[in-house]
Amino acid sequence: DAKTTQPPSMDCAEGRAANLPCNHSTISGNEYVYWYRQIHSQGPQYIIHGLKNNETNEMASLIITEDRKSSTLILPHATLRDTAVYYCIVRVDNYGQNFVFGPGTRLSVLP
Amino acid sequence: GAVVSQHPSWVICKSGTSVKIECRSLDFQATTMFWYRQFPKQSLMLMATSNEGSKATYEQGVEKDKFLINHASLTLSTLTVTSAHPEDSSFYICSARDRRGTGRHGYTFGSGTRLTVV
Repeated sequence: DAKTTQPPSMDCAEGRAANLPCNHSTISGNEYVYWYRQIHSQGPQYIIHGLKNNETNEMASLIITEDRKSSTLILPHATLRDTAVYYCIVRVDNYGQNFVFGPGTRLSVLP
Repeated sequence: GAVVSQHPSWVICKSGTSVKIECRSLDFQATTMFWYRQFPKQSLMLMATSNEGSKATYEQGVEKDKFLINHASLTLSTLTVTSAHPEDSSFYICSARDRRGTGRHGYTFGSGTRLTVV
């Protein structure tokens, strides 16, 4: 899997948008960008994924740069419950392949 | 859909005893499941890949005789920590994906099991 780089921590005010960056400069053409988050003492939760187009779902938006070397996860209106560690992972869509987790970004949503 | 149930959510055991952790896919079948371990303030680390009907594949440094994995059906994988010691205290997490390949390309993770060995 290509390596990703994320800031170790970020703060965000409640109600504001949280923009979490991820660098993946060595991403291959067939690798997807996945975002998961882990709330304290729980298993990781899927958020969103994309290949090259921007994606949006009920949880978040994913913006991927045209050269695919970086991406941004956007939580449009952060709440206290969004406080978690957010992991950006790039991998091919291979059923038998695991996810490789880096240290992620610890997002603290502040009241 | 795509729910993975992990049991127990927490367990405390005495040093030298064995502990079994179950990982079930509730609404799909999975030929492959993954077991991760997470120490405090660290990220998830893959321990082993569990394959239905065959032997598990262990990551380097993980003792296969200590961490026994059984994937006897398409909906259940178990991890048994044998002769547990305090250094085995950790958060154990499983993940699985529908073998039909439907869903979000990714895997669903269990809620984790907090093991404390005293």
